[in-house]
Amino acid sequence: DADVTQTPRNRITKTGKRIMLECSQTKGHDRMYWYRQDPGLGLRLIYYSFDVKDINKGEISDGYSVSRQAQAKFSLSLESAIPNQTALYFCATSDYVSGELFFGEGSRLTVL
Amino acid sequence: TQLLEQSPQFLSIQEGENLTVYCNSSSVFSSLQWYRQEPGEGPVLLVTVVTGGEVKKLKRLTFQFGDARKDSSLHITAAQPGDTGLYLCAGAYSSASKIIFGSGTRLSIRP
Repeated sequence: DADVTQTPRNRITKTGKRIMLECSQTKGHDRMYWYRQDPGLGLRLIYYSFDVKDINKGEISDGYSVSRQAQAKFSLSLESAIPNQTALYFCATSDYVSGELFFGEGSRLTVL
Repeated sequence: TQLLEQSPQFLSIQEGENLTVYCNSSSVFSSLQWYRQEPGEGPVLLVTVVTGGEVKKLKRLTFQFGDARKDSSLHITAAQPGDTGLYLCAGAYSSASKIIFGSGTRLSIRP
C-alpha cells in the first residue's frame, strides 16, 4: 500500500459543484501539503499544515479550503468549482528533520 | 508569480550528450531540493543541498548550490533515455517554512 494515498484519483465535475479531495498517510509525519500542478507551471502550493492545529495559506489558496482531521488526514475542498481549477492535485507529507517531501499519486480534477 | 525560475523549460538532446538545468531566485533559501517526476506519478526526491557552494553527486548527476544560496544547477553527464522526465527544484526559506517549487524542466533523451 502507498504511504500517501489520495482519493479520488480522477474526478469530472460541473461548475458550481462542491468537491473534496482526501489525503491520508501512514508515514507518521506531522507536516502535510496540498499542491496543484498545471502544464508549464511546476507545482504551486495551495495550503500546508505543520500539525493538527496548524493551517497555513500557500501561494494560491483563493477558492480552496482545507481540513486537518487528524495527523494522518488532510483534505482539500473546492466549495464551488470553476473550470480554471481543472488541474492535477498532489498531497505530500514531510518530517521536520529531513524536509523531504513524499507525494501521493495525484488526483486529476476536471471542471466542466 | 514563480519565485523559483527554472531554465530551460524544455530540453531534448541525444543520448550520450551532457546537459545543465538551472534554478534561480532572488531569495535566499536555507535548503534546496531537486525532484524528478515521471508521468502519472508524484515527484521523487533526488538530492537536498543546504550549504552555499555545496556540490553533491548522484552517479551521473551533479548538483550545486550557489555560494549565496539563491540558485542551483543540475548537470547530467552522458545522458541516458532513462533520465527522461520532469526535473523540479524546490526551496525552503527555513526548516520551519513552506516548500515552494520551480516551474520545472521537461527533459527528453533521444536514443
